Amino acid sequence: ETGVTQTPRHLVMGMTNKKSLKCEQHLGHNAMYWYKQSAKKPLELMFVYSLEERVENNSVPSRFSPECPNSSHLFLHLHTLQPEDSALYLCASSQGPAGASTDTQYFGPGTRLTVL
Amino acid sequence: DAKTTQPNSMESNEEEPVHLPCNHSTISGTDYIHWYRQLPSQGPEYVIHGLTSNVNNRMASLAIAEDRKSSTLILHRATLRDAAVYYCILRRPIYSGAGSYQLTFGKGTKLSVIP
Repeated sequence: ETGVTQTPRHLVMGMTNKKSLKCEQHLGHNAMYWYKQSAKKPLELMFVYSLEERVENNSVPSRFSPECPNSSHLFLHLHTLQPEDSALYLCASSQGPAGASTDTQYFGPGTRLTVL
Repeated sequence: DAKTTQPNSMESNEEEPVHLPCNHSTISGTDYIHWYRQLPSQGPEYVIHGLTSNVNNRMASLAIAEDRKSSTLILHRATLRDAAVYYCILRRPIYSGAGSYQLTFGKGTKLSVIP
């Protein structure tokens, strides 16, 4: 248990569906992250939130829409996805914003997304 | 982008030490070297980090070359639970967000532990 939970753990959706991924951290952290891990590619950073403000959008298509309503919760809203968006979506959190050298990211278990 | 180079895979016998190498020749003076590992069906977990000096914690040791262009993660006694993909990462700040740091993951080294 890392203190970061993600729901659902598995999701199958059609290309016309709208769904949301949820991440919650119980660590009192101030920074949260979304990553994508495809089958044959390294983890890719998608979005970063620090104190509920988006500080990084790593050229992610607009069909992925993040939301951070408070420092404990992070959502990834999905709409009109493509089959190539099938991947493991990982959420992480870290102490932030004044992270020191010990700033460690804690990852959730991920949501396995399949787009049909 | 801060790039690291690691072997694709390594094998170790159980109960023996493992040395996982990483090259990072383009490292800058403020880059911290972080190691994470990812066990099957789990998210990555932090292992250790360092800047210039060698570091030890309960999980592993990190040996950093004097010129900082390479480092080695040392697992003192490999167990079956250590079978994972190990990532060597140069952590850099996201300048648009004070205190937020970016981890750029490579492909890592897949460590197999033989009973």
